[in-house]
Amino acid sequence: KQEVTQIPAALSVPEGENLVLNCSFTDSAIYNLQWFRQDPGKGLTSLLLIQSSQREQTSGRLNASLDKSSGRSTLYIAASQPGDSATYLCAVVPGANNLFFGTGTRLTVIP
Amino acid sequence: KAGVTQTPRYLIKTRGQQVTLSCSPISGHRSVSWYQQTPGQGLQFLFEYFSETQRNKGNFPGRFSGRQFSNSRSEMNVSTLELGDSALYLCASSLVEGAEAFFGQGTRLTVV
Repeated sequence: KQEVTQIPAALSVPEGENLVLNCSFTDSAIYNLQWFRQDPGKGLTSLLLIQSSQREQTSGRLNASLDKSSGRSTLYIAASQPGDSATYLCAVVPGANNLFFGTGTRLTVIP
Repeated sequence: KAGVTQTPRYLIKTRGQQVTLSCSPISGHRSVSWYQQTPGQGLQFLFEYFSETQRNKGNFPGRFSGRQFSNSRSEMNVSTLELGDSALYLCASSLVEGAEAFFGQGTRLTVV
Protein backbone atom coordinates (compact mmCIF):
# COMPACT_ATOMS: atom_id res chain seq x y z
CA LYS A 1 0.00 0.00 0.00
CA GLN A 2 1.30 3.42 -0.95
CA GLU A 3 2.34 5.62 1.98
CA VAL A 4 3.36 9.24 1.65
CA THR A 5 5.35 11.03 4.35
CA GLN A 6 6.19 14.70 4.62
CA ILE A 7 8.96 16.05 6.79
CA PRO A 8 9.01 18.34 8.67
CA ALA A 9 5.44 18.55 9.93
CA ALA A 10 5.89 22.24 10.69
CA LEU A 11 8.45 24.83 9.72
CA SER A 12 8.96 28.50 10.66
CA VAL A 13 11.35 30.68 8.69
CA PRO A 14 12.09 34.41 8.50
CA GLU A 15 10.93 36.26 5.42
CA GLY A 16 13.36 36.09 2.51
CA GLU A 17 14.80 32.71 3.38
CA ASN A 18 14.96 29.87 0.84
CA LEU A 19 13.48 26.59 2.04
CA VAL A 20 12.95 22.97 1.06
CA LEU A 21 9.97 20.77 1.85
CA ASN A 22 10.35 17.02 1.62
CA CYS A 23 8.00 14.28 0.46
CA SER A 24 8.74 10.55 0.40
CA PHE A 25 6.63 7.68 -0.92
CA THR A 26 6.96 3.94 -0.55
CA ASP A 27 5.90 2.67 -3.98
CA SER A 28 7.88 4.10 -6.88
CA ALA A 29 5.30 2.93 -9.44
CA ILE A 30 3.58 6.29 -9.70
CA TYR A 31 1.96 8.04 -12.63
CA ASN A 32 2.71 11.55 -11.41
CA LEU A 33 3.21 13.66 -8.28
CA GLN A 34 1.46 16.90 -7.47
CA TRP A 35 2.18 19.60 -4.91
CA PHE A 36 -0.64 21.64 -3.38
CA ARG A 37 -1.03 24.41 -0.83
CA GLN A 38 -3.96 24.70 1.52
CA ASP A 39 -4.94 27.77 3.47
CA PRO A 40 -6.87 27.22 6.72
CA GLY A 41 -10.42 26.01 6.09
CA LYS A 42 -10.01 26.25 2.33
CA GLY A 43 -9.63 23.88 -0.58
CA LEU A 44 -6.38 22.85 -2.22
CA THR A 45 -4.55 24.99 -4.75
CA SER A 46 -2.42 23.12 -7.27
CA LEU A 47 1.16 24.35 -7.37
CA LEU A 48 3.08 21.94 -9.59
CA LEU A 49 2.53 18.63 -11.35
CA ILE A 50 5.48 16.39 -12.18
CA GLN A 51 4.90 13.54 -14.58
CA SER A 52 6.72 10.30 -13.77
CA SER A 53 9.04 10.79 -16.74
CA GLN A 54 10.11 14.24 -15.55
CA ARG A 55 12.78 15.18 -13.04
CA GLU A 56 11.59 18.66 -12.10
CA GLN A 57 9.10 21.44 -12.71
CA THR A 58 9.35 25.14 -12.05
CA SER A 59 6.77 27.85 -11.54
CA GLY A 60 7.93 31.27 -10.45
CA ARG A 61 9.69 30.97 -7.09
CA LEU A 62 8.76 27.29 -6.81
CA ASN A 63 10.77 24.34 -8.03
CA ALA A 64 9.76 20.73 -7.49
CA SER A 65 11.98 17.73 -8.14
CA LEU A 66 11.15 14.06 -8.42
CA ASP A 67 13.38 11.02 -7.90
CA LYS A 68 11.20 7.99 -8.45
CA SER A 69 13.94 5.45 -7.78
CA SER A 70 14.47 6.74 -4.26
CA GLY A 71 10.79 7.61 -3.68
CA ARG A 72 11.45 11.28 -2.99
CA SER A 73 10.28 14.68 -4.07
CA THR A 74 11.27 18.12 -2.85
CA LEU A 75 9.58 21.49 -3.14
CA TYR A 76 11.98 24.41 -3.12
CA ILE A 77 10.61 27.86 -2.31
CA ALA A 78 12.91 30.77 -3.04
CA ALA A 79 12.82 34.10 -1.21
CA SER A 80 9.91 33.16 1.03
CA GLN A 81 7.17 35.72 1.75
CA PRO A 82 4.53 35.92 4.50
CA GLY A 83 1.91 35.09 1.86
CA ASP A 84 3.57 31.70 1.43
CA SER A 85 2.35 30.71 4.90
CA ALA A 86 0.07 27.70 4.42
CA THR A 87 0.06 23.92 4.62
CA TYR A 88 1.87 22.26 1.73
CA LEU A 89 0.74 18.81 0.63
CA CYS A 90 2.26 16.39 -1.81
CA ALA A 91 0.19 13.70 -3.47
CA VAL A 92 1.15 10.77 -5.66
CA VAL A 93 -1.02 9.19 -8.30
CA PRO A 94 -0.42 5.44 -8.46
CA GLY A 95 -2.16 4.89 -11.78
CA ALA A 96 -5.85 5.04 -11.17
CA ASN A 97 -7.12 8.57 -10.86
CA ASN A 98 -6.92 8.86 -7.10
CA LEU A 99 -4.36 10.79 -5.12
CA PHE A 100 -2.51 9.51 -2.06
CA PHE A 101 -1.75 12.48 0.13
CA GLY A 102 1.02 13.11 2.60
CA THR A 103 0.28 14.56 6.01
CA GLY A 104 1.48 18.01 4.99
CA THR A 105 4.02 20.57 6.17
CA ARG A 106 2.66 23.67 7.90
CA LEU A 107 4.83 26.59 6.84
CA THR A 108 4.96 29.91 8.67
CA VAL A 109 6.96 32.75 7.17
CA ILE A 110 7.72 35.39 9.78
CA PRO A 111 7.79 39.02 8.55
CA LYS B 1 -12.80 29.84 -16.86
CA ALA B 2 -14.73 28.87 -13.74
CA GLY B 3 -13.06 26.57 -11.24
CA VAL B 4 -14.49 23.62 -9.40
CA THR B 5 -17.64 24.63 -7.55
CA GLN B 6 -18.92 22.83 -4.48
CA THR B 7 -22.24 23.47 -2.79
CA PRO B 8 -23.16 24.05 -0.12
CA ARG B 9 -20.08 25.45 1.62
CA TYR B 10 -21.32 24.61 5.10
CA LEU B 11 -23.79 22.09 6.48
CA ILE B 12 -24.95 21.13 9.93
CA LYS B 13 -26.81 17.84 10.24
CA THR B 14 -28.05 15.63 13.05
CA ARG B 15 -26.90 12.06 13.62
CA GLY B 16 -28.95 9.60 11.61
CA GLN B 17 -29.84 12.07 8.87
CA GLN B 18 -28.57 11.89 5.32
CA VAL B 19 -26.84 14.55 3.27
CA THR B 20 -26.12 15.24 -0.39
CA LEU B 21 -23.15 17.32 -1.54
CA SER B 22 -22.72 18.69 -5.04
CA CYS B 23 -19.69 19.31 -7.23
CA SER B 24 -19.51 21.02 -10.61
CA PRO B 25 -16.17 20.34 -12.32
CA ILE B 26 -14.23 22.65 -14.57
CA SER B 27 -15.87 22.83 -17.98
CA GLY B 28 -14.60 20.00 -20.18
CA HIS B 29 -13.29 17.90 -17.28
CA ARG B 30 -14.81 14.45 -17.21
CA SER B 31 -13.12 12.99 -14.13
CA VAL B 32 -14.44 13.91 -10.69
CA SER B 33 -12.99 12.61 -7.43
CA TRP B 34 -14.12 13.05 -3.85
CA TYR B 35 -11.97 13.25 -0.72
CA GLN B 36 -12.62 13.48 3.00
CA GLN B 37 -10.31 15.59 5.15
CA THR B 38 -10.21 15.28 8.92
CA PRO B 39 -7.59 16.43 11.44
CA GLY B 40 -6.91 12.86 12.52
CA GLN B 41 -6.86 11.02 9.17
CA GLY B 42 -5.81 13.74 6.77
CA LEU B 43 -7.03 13.54 3.19
CA GLN B 44 -8.57 10.23 2.19
CA PHE B 45 -9.89 9.19 -1.20
CA LEU B 46 -13.61 8.36 -1.39
CA PHE B 47 -14.36 7.61 -5.04
CA GLU B 48 -13.76 8.71 -8.60
CA TYR B 49 -16.15 9.02 -11.53
CA PHE B 50 -15.47 9.31 -15.21
CA SER B 51 -18.21 9.63 -17.82
CA GLU B 52 -20.88 8.67 -15.28
CA THR B 53 -19.05 5.48 -14.23
CA GLN B 54 -17.44 4.90 -10.86
CA ARG B 55 -13.94 3.74 -11.69
CA ASN B 56 -12.33 3.64 -8.30
CA LYS B 57 -13.46 3.53 -4.68
CA GLY B 58 -11.66 4.13 -1.43
CA ASN B 59 -12.03 2.25 1.82
CA PHE B 60 -15.24 3.80 3.15
CA PRO B 61 -18.47 2.12 4.29
CA GLY B 62 -21.41 1.73 1.97
CA ARG B 63 -23.13 4.71 3.64
CA PHE B 64 -20.97 6.82 1.34
CA SER B 65 -22.13 6.81 -2.25
CA GLY B 66 -21.93 9.02 -5.27
CA ARG B 67 -22.95 9.50 -8.83
CA GLN B 68 -22.06 11.54 -11.86
CA PHE B 69 -24.43 13.03 -14.37
CA SER B 70 -24.10 13.36 -18.13
CA ASN B 71 -22.89 16.96 -17.75
CA SER B 72 -20.07 15.67 -15.46
CA ARG B 73 -21.56 17.24 -12.35
CA SER B 74 -21.28 14.90 -9.40
CA GLU B 75 -23.04 14.35 -6.13
CA MET B 76 -22.05 12.39 -3.09
CA ASN B 77 -24.46 11.14 -0.50
CA VAL B 78 -23.88 10.07 3.06
CA SER B 79 -26.69 8.21 4.78
CA THR B 80 -27.24 7.57 8.48
CA LEU B 81 -24.78 10.24 9.50
CA GLU B 82 -22.40 9.62 12.39
CA LEU B 83 -20.46 12.14 14.46
CA GLY B 84 -17.26 10.86 12.86
CA ASP B 85 -18.49 11.95 9.44
CA SER B 86 -17.82 15.56 10.41
CA ALA B 87 -15.17 16.68 7.97
CA LEU B 88 -14.24 18.87 5.05
CA TYR B 89 -15.36 17.12 1.86
CA LEU B 90 -13.35 18.08 -1.19
CA CYS B 91 -14.07 17.49 -4.83
CA ALA B 92 -11.43 17.49 -7.55
CA SER B 93 -11.73 17.46 -11.31
CA SER B 94 -9.25 16.63 -14.02
CA LEU B 95 -9.34 16.50 -17.77
CA VAL B 96 -8.31 12.88 -18.07
CA GLU B 97 -6.79 10.22 -15.85
CA GLY B 98 -3.44 11.28 -14.48
CA ALA B 99 -3.82 14.92 -15.46
CA GLU B 100 -3.48 17.79 -13.03
CA ALA B 101 -6.21 17.76 -10.40
CA PHE B 102 -8.05 20.94 -9.45
CA PHE B 103 -9.94 21.19 -6.19
CA GLY B 104 -13.00 23.06 -5.07
CA GLN B 105 -13.28 25.02 -1.83
CA GLY B 106 -14.94 22.11 -0.09
CA THR B 107 -18.09 21.52 1.93
CA ARG B 108 -17.67 21.67 5.69
CA LEU B 109 -20.05 19.09 7.19
CA THR B 110 -20.72 19.13 10.91
CA VAL B 111 -22.73 16.30 12.43
CA VAL B 112 -24.24 17.01 15.86
